[in-house]
Amino acid sequence: EPEVTQTPSHQVTQMGQEVILRCVPISNHLYFYWYRQILGQKVEFLVSFYNNEISEKSEIFDDQFSVERPDGSNFTLKIRSTKLEDSAMYFCASSEMGGGYGYTFGSGTRLTVV
Amino acid sequence: KNEVEQSPQNLTAQEGEFITINCSYSVGISALHWLQQHPGGGIVSLFMLSSGKKKHGRLIATINIQEKHSSLHITASHPRDSAVYICAVDRGSTLGRLYFGRGTQLTVWP
Repeated sequence: EPEVTQTPSHQVTQMGQEVILRCVPISNHLYFYWYRQILGQKVEFLVSFYNNEISEKSEIFDDQFSVERPDGSNFTLKIRSTKLEDSAMYFCASSEMGGGYGYTFGSGTRLTVV
Repeated sequence: KNEVEQSPQNLTAQEGEFITINCSYSVGISALHWLQQHPGGGIVSLFMLSSGKKKHGRLIATINIQEKHSSLHITASHPRDSAVYICAVDRGSTLGRLYFGRGTQLTVWP
């Protein structure tokens, strides 16, 4: 069964450092998403990406965040200057056709900012 | 205000019991997803529903669009079913953003 692959599985970084979280979505999927889950809280939407551009972003997704699809396979989330409150599990997901279609989630990257 | 509410928040059962987890939502939707989150944190999609009922193995998901309610049932529960079960809704945009409930922590004892 096709998978969404996320790397690394764990990342520890110092406050103020830049981090890049990487995702390889399913190859024939067209819609890509980043979500995050702070420990003990519900999963929250960050951003959706379609046709090589951001299609929707939440209020969480401020100027410190950016996404990129640098080649035909990778989809990255960059946090420019990490804060303690960025510590969370970050999930990448992809969907073949977006709304009304099934989702596949990656296994997540646990980011710890110290 | 949370668009998606789940109950119960925590659920403990003995192996073999029939489990029901409920999800209510307050917005119009095009689809509802049931997800399973393992102790390690990974999320697996179980069902996507827009009407009626779906069954996969011991899992059954139902949805009542008029009442804005969905249930996930597990028959003959097993300790390996222990996980967090999450309800999430698609509000019908073509972009497919999901809105999540807080999850139900299920623990099944042998």
